[in-house]
Amino acid sequence: QVQLQESGPGLAKPSETLSLTCAVSGYSISSGGYYWGWIRQPPGKGLEWIGSIYHSGNTYYNPSLKSRVTISVDTSNNQFSLKLTSVTAADTAVYYCARTRVAGAGGHWFDPWGQGTLVTVSS
Amino acid sequence: EIVLTQSPGTLSLSPGERATLSCRASQSVSSSYLAWYQQKPGQAPRLLIYDASTRATGIPDRFSGSGSGTDFTLTISRLEPEDFAVYYCQQYGSSPRTFGQGTKVEIK
Repeated sequence: QVQLQESGPGLAKPSETLSLTCAVSGYSISSGGYYWGWIRQPPGKGLEWIGSIYHSGNTYYNPSLKSRVTISVDTSNNQFSLKLTSVTAADTAVYYCARTRVAGAGGHWFDPWGQGTLVTVSS
Repeated sequence: EIVLTQSPGTLSLSPGERATLSCRASQSVSSSYLAWYQQKPGQAPRLLIYDASTRATGIPDRFSGSGSGTDFTLTISRLEPEDFAVYYCQQYGSSPRTFGQGTKVEIK
């Protein structure tokens, strides 16, 4: 059974960089066959796809965030990471990681998901 | 970018009733690449339906999806108490992947 678990600071200061990691268990990222993605959800609002990465390092980003986002993969530790620079209060959200089938520019449906981690941007 | 508009925003129904949720796309979703998720408070979304009409593993058959092009529907044939939640559609036919704003199914 594949499981994903997000980790990272729950608080980020405005203008700084938000960094999160998603640890994967039950499946080896280096086996291929799936993209690994990040999705966020501001409190009380809907879902926004941030981007996806393949084990080779190929990435696909949402154009609305592309200038500030970097997603990377660490196959030796079976995890992938998100960095979001120059954060503002608008980046306050629950950040989820999820698996998605390799297809197109970013993958297909997302399943399974991690439990999510709330990141608040505040001074 | 494909914008997905879900309606209604809130659906007030009683257990045992039928729920019909709509997801309309701003342009045609290629190959019916549309998924539906259920989200309960404090939980991550759970995949219900993919490719517009295929139930995900373990999803009860009271959940069904239909549609193509720009109009998609999620139907819950008989609402169980655990079905009261927020439902989202997501398209993966073009990039960026986008989600609808959600429909809340609440107990009447």
